[in-house]
Amino acid sequence: GAVVSQHPSWVICKSGTSVKIECRSLDFQATTMFWYRQFPKQSLMLMATSNEGSKATYEQGVEKDKFLINHASLTLSTLTVTSAHPEDSSFYICSARDLAGVSNEQFFGPGTRLTVL
Amino acid sequence: DAKTTQPPSMDCAEGRAANLPCNHSTISGNEYVYWYRQIHSQGPQYIIHGLKNNETNEMASLIITEDRKSSTLILPHATLRDTAVYYCIVLLTGGGNKLTFGTGTQLKVEL
Repeated sequence: GAVVSQHPSWVICKSGTSVKIECRSLDFQATTMFWYRQFPKQSLMLMATSNEGSKATYEQGVEKDKFLINHASLTLSTLTVTSAHPEDSSFYICSARDLAGVSNEQFFGPGTRLTVL
Repeated sequence: DAKTTQPPSMDCAEGRAANLPCNHSTISGNEYVYWYRQIHSQGPQYIIHGLKNNETNEMASLIITEDRKSSTLILPHATLRDTAVYYCIVLLTGGGNKLTFGTGTQLKVEL
């Protein structure tokens, strides 16, 4: 089956630093990837849609200058949390849609736990 | 996309069938019903989807009412590893459509 990986699986950083999270589709190509954020005991909230070769589309209320998204290839999207603060501590999850897929099925990564001290 | 309503939690005995309901009374004719689940601290996992006919795969069965205003996900023989939050989502197919997660149903499978 289709596999999506994320790296790192967890990261701890100091307040004010930037953190980059990678999302890779391992056995399929994805023109579209999605980034979600999940706080404890809450549901997933879509942050942005990452499009290969073009700018990402951000959901309302998500700061594009704080959450930088780059989708440079059909198998890799990155999310950079710039100048991270404790309130950015969360579980970040990406998903990818198979370019060759006929359905709307999205494959999710295992998530990245970010803790900002 | 149509909104969905699910019970916040359900319990099920191991080995028994788990029936998870979902109401989507405002679903339109070309919207599909998707089910995902999320085991604690993991990414969501696709389970099944359907338009109007009942569907079955190796994980579950999906029963959609004739008027399509509600559906039921059936795990025929629940195990402890099926303990998770189950999300029912309706949306159009096609590129660019975004999954919007509601609060889901926390299924707890017990001995």
